[in-house]
Amino acid sequence: GAGVSQSPRYKVAKRGQDVALRCDPISGHVSLFWYQQALGQGPEFLTYFQNEAQLDKSGLPSDRFFAERPEGSVSTLKIQRTQQEDSAVYLCASSRSVRSSGTSHTQYFGPGTRLTVL
Amino acid sequence: RKEVEQDPGPFNVPEGATVAFNCTYSNSASQSFFWYRQDCRKEPKLLMSVYSSGNEDGRFTAQLNRASQYISLLIRDSKLSDSATYLCVVNIQATGGSYIPTFGRGTSLIVHP
Repeated sequence: GAGVSQSPRYKVAKRGQDVALRCDPISGHVSLFWYQQALGQGPEFLTYFQNEAQLDKSGLPSDRFFAERPEGSVSTLKIQRTQQEDSAVYLCASSRSVRSSGTSHTQYFGPGTRLTVL
Repeated sequence: RKEVEQDPGPFNVPEGATVAFNCTYSNSASQSFFWYRQDCRKEPKLLMSVYSSGNEDGRFTAQLNRASQYISLLIRDSKLSDSATYLCVVNIQATGGSYIPTFGRGTSLIVHP
């Protein structure tokens, strides 16, 4: 079956431009995560959805970052007025669920969107 | 101090060697532990979950030590194809109550002929 897909795969933006990154999770996966990965670092958590509800957005670095998942499937991460420090790979992952006990199913990652801000 | 810490390496080992990585976590209430593998310019992929009793999958063995708050990954008989970055993941409870998968920065492994 299809895995997690992300688009665009590569995005070059001029400083100050707005960008929108799309994630299509695996069908039926309830949980969806966005991560930011800088070169040589592990993925850093940005935000998390359970269906259409955004349960945690504590990792979003500033109010220029906004994420939504209005119908509980596709998600969009929007970055307004991009800055050079936003340059990174943005990874989306989905999983069947994260239980309230803290145990969770495997996360499946998309290929990422490599954002370069000039 | 980061919540999940790993030695970035690189670990440079010959084919056939046994190599072990550790990962420490700061929150004793953490739930669910994983090792992911990430190849250069690719997305992370699950290598194995880590269970309290320890678990083995072929040449790979993962262990959890809750008392000392670390997990380990042992790779026996290293292959050239094992060269990658190994990411430790721990579900850590956030202030809002939800559990967030938290990644270490990864340990780089290079297996040479």
